[in-house]
Amino acid sequence: GAVVSQHPSRVICKSGTSVKIECRSLDFQATTMFWYRQFPKQSLMLMATSNEGSKATYEQGVEKDKFLINHASLTLSTLTVTSAHPEDSSFYICSARDSIGPKPREQYFGPGTRLTVT
Amino acid sequence: AQSVAQPEDQVNVAEGNPLTVKCTYSVSGNPYLFWYVQYPNRGLQFLLKYITGDNLVKGSYGFEAEFNKSQTSFHLKKPSALVSDSALYFCAVRLHFSGGYNKLIFGAGTRLAVHP
Repeated sequence: GAVVSQHPSRVICKSGTSVKIECRSLDFQATTMFWYRQFPKQSLMLMATSNEGSKATYEQGVEKDKFLINHASLTLSTLTVTSAHPEDSSFYICSARDSIGPKPREQYFGPGTRLTVT
Repeated sequence: AQSVAQPEDQVNVAEGNPLTVKCTYSVSGNPYLFWYVQYPNRGLQFLLKYITGDNLVKGSYGFEAEFNKSQTSFHLKKPSALVSDSALYFCAVRLHFSGGYNKLIFGAGTRLAVHP
């Protein structure tokens, strides 16, 4: 089946620094990728939709200057948390939608990245 | 507003007994409905989906779900629970917007605990 990877799986950073999380579709092309965050014992909240070669679409309330998204190729999207604060600590999950195949196209999830800001 | 509800925070069931995890939705048009499972510190794994056709959908690991349009429900079921089924389960609906844009929205999640 289709595989989505995330790197790193865990990261600890100091307050004020930036951290980049990568999301890759390993065996399929993804025009569209999604970034979610999940707080403990809560559901996934969509942060933004990443479109290859164009600007990301952010959900209401998500600061685009703080959560920078780049989707430079059909297999890679990155999320950069800039000037991280402890409240940014969360579990970040990416998802990639297969660009080909019958509609509705499948959406596959990565294993998540645990970010801790100290 | 379009939404997905999972009314139970936790479901407890004995191993070998049938299990049901409830999900109701409120969306306009014909819904695309999904169930995912999440194990600790892991991403989501797809279980099954309903797009159209037969209301009873069979998925991975022996799970199934029944789409009920009149009750706007999509409950997840399994005839005989296993301890290894213990996890967090999410119901989701795909919302469609003009221009071909669509996104998944998730219910709050239900923790399933299967006891030996």
